[in-house]
Amino acid sequence: QVQLQESGPGLVKPSETLSLTCTVSGGPIHGYHWSWIRQPPGKGLEWIGYIYYNGITNYNPSLKSRVTMSVDTSKNQFSLSLSSVSAADTAVYYCAKIGTGSNNWFDPWGQGTPVTVSS
Amino acid sequence: DIQMTQSPSSVSASVGDRVTITCRASQGISTWLAWYQQKPGKVPKLLIYSASSLQSGVPSRFSGSGSGTDFTLTISSLQPEDFATYYCQQANSFPLTFGGGTKVEIK
Repeated sequence: QVQLQESGPGLVKPSETLSLTCTVSGGPIHGYHWSWIRQPPGKGLEWIGYIYYNGITNYNPSLKSRVTMSVDTSKNQFSLSLSSVSAADTAVYYCAKIGTGSNNWFDPWGQGTPVTVSS
Repeated sequence: DIQMTQSPSSVSASVGDRVTITCRASQGISTWLAWYQQKPGKVPKLLIYSASSLQSGVPSRFSGSGSGTDFTLTISSLQPEDFATYYCQQANSFPLTFGGGTKVEIK
């Protein structure tokens, strides 16, 4: 079955750019929507955005000015960049697959990667 | 944005109890709703989609109902492994949004 794994630095300095990659295994990245979701410590879940395998994106307006997503189908990977980070961006970042068609729920999820923004 | 409001924010219950969690959307979302379970330090797990469809492998003691703006997640007989936080998520429109979570604790 499809499995996802996040990777990237666990510590980012304020005002810098957070960059994460999600590697998809057990299935193709082609034909599906892929999402990033984050969860600050002790808090709830926030959808960051999605990228389609062909590069079409949809970002949460609350983060849109700072978010860029990209996809590399040859590597079965997609990536997240979040610029000008602050302590408020400290969170566990998850990648997840979105259901097909209008089934916009998340399954499966990656294991999550914690990111701390601190100098 | 569609706001999702869950209640209660926490509930204390005993093994064998019936537990009901509610989720209210700020506008109608038909049955475009999912429920997730998250145990401490673990990844959220999809339990129910389309408001009432059980994800493969999820025990039948979990059920979902509702449409429009009001939804419920019911655990018919709480088991030790069900102590967790539960989130609803609307899948009707972007941005996709989650409820604040309901923590089910041991009484």
